[in-house]
Amino acid sequence: AQSVTQLGSHVSVSEGALVLLRCNYSSSVPPYLFWYVQYPNQGLQLLLKYTTGATLVKGINGFEAEFKKSETSFHLTKPSAHMSDAAEYFCAVSDVETGTASKLTFGTGTRLQVTL
Amino acid sequence: EAQVTQNPRYLITVTGKKLTVTCSQNMNHEYMSWYRQDPGLGLRQIYYSMNVEVTDKGDVPEGYKVSRKEKRNFPLILESPSPNQTSLYFCASTLLAGGGHAGQFFGPGTRLTVL
Repeated sequence: AQSVTQLGSHVSVSEGALVLLRCNYSSSVPPYLFWYVQYPNQGLQLLLKYTTGATLVKGINGFEAEFKKSETSFHLTKPSAHMSDAAEYFCAVSDVETGTASKLTFGTGTRLQVTL
Repeated sequence: EAQVTQNPRYLITVTGKKLTVTCSQNMNHEYMSWYRQDPGLGLRQIYYSMNVEVTDKGDVPEGYKVSRKEKRNFPLILESPSPNQTSLYFCASTLLAGGGHAGQFFGPGTRLTVL
């Protein structure tokens, strides 16, 4: 079964600093990987995804993530944080292994705080 | 506008009083799913449906029921709610064609408190 580990339940960065949110997964087959963002009192919004092809994927709001099979990682980055990036971020892996690729397993989330 | 809607958005109820949270999507998606979100646990799948009249348990199905009589609707039923079902609930949907490439579209959430 797939699993996702997000290192750091809370991350704080200064405005303009690099954002790095870590995600490691376990899967016996190449997975589909997703990052979702949840703003306060809202549902989850898809930020970016990796399914096949290029391992560096770009998403909305200047975020990107790189799929590294050798490290089983899919870390989320943004070169320069903005106050509006403050939110909770979830990494998720789909259950390609059993053929039910639509089933998502989520990490426990990382709350990003951006300070002046 | 493509969307997933949930009602109610907020609900406070008492132990044992049956309730239903509705979910509707207007994107003609085959796959629909319910999750609960709890602090420190992320999102956990309760039930999912691959199409009309096809439902199956997720990771935490105890105490919940679902039905899928129409493609667009996927209500979540708590026959006898208990305080440990106090949580934030999300409905989501996606296309099955493409094998899950699209990711899931989420509703705005329903915050349930069971006293």
